[in-house]
Amino acid sequence: QVQLQESGPGLVKPSQTLSLTCNVSGGSISSDSYYWNWIRQPAGKGLEWIGRIYTSGSTSYNPSLKGRVTISVDTSKNQFSLKLSSVTAADTAVYYCASASGYLGYFGMDVWGQGTTVTVSS
Amino acid sequence: DIQMTQSPSSLSASVGDRVTITCRASQGISNYLAWFQQKPGKAPKSLIYGASNLQSGVPSKFSGSGSGTDFTLTIRSLQPEDFATYYCQQYNSYPHTFGQGTKLEIK
Repeated sequence: QVQLQESGPGLVKPSQTLSLTCNVSGGSISSDSYYWNWIRQPAGKGLEWIGRIYTSGSTSYNPSLKGRVTISVDTSKNQFSLKLSSVTAADTAVYYCASASGYLGYFGMDVWGQGTTVTVSS
Repeated sequence: DIQMTQSPSSLSASVGDRVTITCRASQGISNYLAWFQQKPGKAPKSLIYGASNLQSGVPSKFSGSGSGTDFTLTIRSLQPEDFATYYCQQYNSYPHTFGQGTKLEIK
């Protein structure tokens, strides 16, 4: 089964761009019918879906992030990435990557990374 | 956006009990509904997809039902490892949205 592992800086300055990578092992990121997702969770709060990318490269994002988010795939490295620009303290959270399989991701987000904590502070 | 409302927000129960958590969508989502279990400091774990289908390896003590706007997660014969926070999530339309969570605590 696919395994996921997030990586990236744990501290980002306000107004800068948060960049995280999710490494995919045990399978190919180019596999058909896989959607690659990012989700975040502020400390003590609930889950927020950030967006997802399909194998073809098509993306869907949460409008609440007001156009600050970009998700991309690097097939040569078998990983996908999240970039969130113009960050503020409100973007401080644990960030998870997750995969969803099946037509339109019908089987749900069944594999998750362990999560990585990102703090936005000067 | 589709709003997902879970009830109750918290629930106390005893080992051996059967509990039910409800999730209501602000508009119809067919059966594109998932349930997750999250323990402190851990990533969410997928329990159910398609409203009623158990993920591989999830014990049959967990069951889901519903379609349209009203959904339930039932856990029977609670064990200590079941005490956690549970989230529903709709993935029928963008943005995919989660319920606020239900914290299941030991009585």
